[in-house]
Amino acid sequence: LAKTTQPISMDSYEGQEVNITCSHNNIATNDYITWYQQFPSQGPRFIIQGYKTKVTNEVASLFIPADRKSSTLSLPRVSLSDTAVYYCLVVGRGSTLGRLYFGRGTQLTVWP
Amino acid sequence: DAGITQSPRHKVTETGTPVTLRCHQTENHRYMYWYRQDPGHGLRLIHYSYGVKDTDKGEVSDGYSVSRSKTEDFLLTLESATSSQTSVYFCAISSYTQGAEETQYFGPGTRLLVL
Repeated sequence: LAKTTQPISMDSYEGQEVNITCSHNNIATNDYITWYQQFPSQGPRFIIQGYKTKVTNEVASLFIPADRKSSTLSLPRVSLSDTAVYYCLVVGRGSTLGRLYFGRGTQLTVWP
Repeated sequence: DAGITQSPRHKVTETGTPVTLRCHQTENHRYMYWYRQDPGHGLRLIHYSYGVKDTDKGEVSDGYSVSRSKTEDFLLTLESATSSQTSVYFCAISSYTQGAEETQYFGPGTRLLVL
């Protein structure tokens, strides 16, 4: 599995856009990128996943450049409730069933 | 949120006693997983199941066993609890299909303290 590197922590203010970048230089052709969010005392929650270019849902956008060696999770207009740990995962399609390696994630703190 | 419950939500036990954690889903998903989360380690896979009575080991399976007699229930048993098994345990489910992207949905977790 491709190793991922993301910042340990980030700070933002309410109403700002937050971009969390994850590097995955060794991503394989069939791998895809998934982001999870985890609040204290709760299980991780799926946010978004994608293979290339841009994916958008009601919560976030995921930008993946052509070389796929990095990806950026974009959270528009964050609020205090977005304070959480965000995990970037690279998952092999069909070959790594159940083997989601979460690493240490990025602690996002949103300030009023 | 996916219909996943875990019981108990908190448990304190003594070293050497057996402990069973239960994961229950209402989504009829085929795949179920048990993870543990510890500071500095992220989530680590203990065991997983790909169907009734079909289970396999994850990366930290020593000291744990699982059973799945019904689609909706996945049990994790600590045969003889040790202090190193103090952790937060998460159950997850997915409707994975071969060759497709997998999304796992997690339960609320069980906090286990082994004294």
